[in-house]
Amino acid sequence: EIVLTQSPGTLSLSPGERATLSCRASQSVSNNYLAWYQQKPGQAPRLLISGASSRATAIPDRISGSGSGTDFTLTISRLEPEDFAVYYCQQYGTLPSTFGQGTKLEIK
Amino acid sequence: QVQLMESGGGVVQPGRSLRLSCAASGFIFNTYAMNWVRQAPGKGLEWVAVISYDGINKYYADSVKGRFTISRDNSKNTVYLQMNSLRAEDTAVYYCARPKGGNYGAPFDYWGQGTRVTVSS
Repeated sequence: EIVLTQSPGTLSLSPGERATLSCRASQSVSNNYLAWYQQKPGQAPRLLISGASSRATAIPDRISGSGSGTDFTLTISRLEPEDFAVYYCQQYGTLPSTFGQGTKLEIK
Repeated sequence: QVQLMESGGGVVQPGRSLRLSCAASGFIFNTYAMNWVRQAPGKGLEWVAVISYDGINKYYADSVKGRFTISRDNSKNTVYLQMNSLRAEDTAVYYCARPKGGNYGAPFDYWGQGTRVTVSS
């Protein structure tokens, strides 16, 4: 199975700053089928990005995804208070689908 | 609007069984594959199983293969997860999740609220 490794484990930033989250795959992700999700405490995950760079419905353009092959990045250009949460990457191009272990984005 | 509602969770002893249900509404259920994803307390997400739109094809994570069975009843717009020989490490919140566009190779655009399963003696 494809192992996804996210870094850093925790990211401490202030509102208005830029966040850069990394997701590295143990082998190339088929068709760049890489998604990013946001999860807040007590809630289900929310799809942010699919196909490495396509924003999901109603996701603001300050959130963007990039990358290909084995290296992917989620960028939040100007952090808003509602952005502080845990973020997961997922590859869905090869079964079993796998998730990264998550990056917690916390307020500094 | 799309809604997924899980039920059937609870506290169960190791080695026993439990069946989870996920009732879907707001979309044409019999054209979508469906997934189960779980999250152990304080941990990350783990994909568990997927079933094709017609119920013919099923795939499982190695951690549950041979113990869990995914099924669906398209007349009831419901997907199930039969969990047998439960272990402490199966303790988690279980989510059902819909793949965007309906196929296996798709991200999950809708999730249920989750149902909690605790395996403990």
